Amino acid sequence: KAGVTQTPRYLIKTRGQQVTLSCSPISGHRSVSWYQQTPGQGLQFLFEYFSETQRNKGNFPGRFSGRQFSNSRSEMNVSTLELGDSALYLCASSLETGTPYGYTFGSGTRLTVV
Amino acid sequence: AQTVTQSQPEMSVQEAETVTLSCTYDTSESNYYLFWYKQPPSRQMILVIRQEAYKQQNATENRFSVNFQKAAKSFSLKISDSQLGDTAMYFCAFRSFTGNQFYFGTGTSLTVIP
Repeated sequence: KAGVTQTPRYLIKTRGQQVTLSCSPISGHRSVSWYQQTPGQGLQFLFEYFSETQRNKGNFPGRFSGRQFSNSRSEMNVSTLELGDSALYLCASSLETGTPYGYTFGSGTRLTVV
Repeated sequence: AQTVTQSQPEMSVQEAETVTLSCTYDTSESNYYLFWYKQPPSRQMILVIRQEAYKQQNATENRFSVNFQKAAKSFSLKISDSQLGDTAMYFCAFRSFTGNQFYFGTGTSLTVIP
């Protein structure tokens, strides 16, 4: 059974550009959550998608957005990149929303903004 | 709001010895879940152990056990017979009964010394 796949694994972007990250959940999982991990702030919740609908959103500016497709694959987009957006972006998938169990994380996308 | 605090940024332990990682949390909720996740260099977050707050018995998973003190809002992880493969970042996490996100601590970097 394939795990959670995040692409690309590494990404370097210039300030002001935009970026799109992809997360393919485990087959059958319908919920995808995104987290930002930085040395200073640790792991912070970005948003959760379930059945193509955003169910919950963390405290991030509107430059951070996401979507989920009918096959449960999710993308997150960051527009007008800032240096502070450099981070490891992790996604996690689960069968259902609102469950405390059964989360599988991907290996993340390391975004560097220069 | 929920907060999770890990006061030990770095720890080391000799192979085969026992080590305890500390975690405290703050919440006004009575029903919640606590977790320890491990993040090796592969970057994938891996669930180590979980505890339901309504259970008084401390959770145990092979060499990993927790000391859950609900009144003190403390949730420490004990690793027995430490192995080189235990070298990783360890994150304590909180999730409320009805919540849609994990709240993570800032992590403890554990090094097992041969």
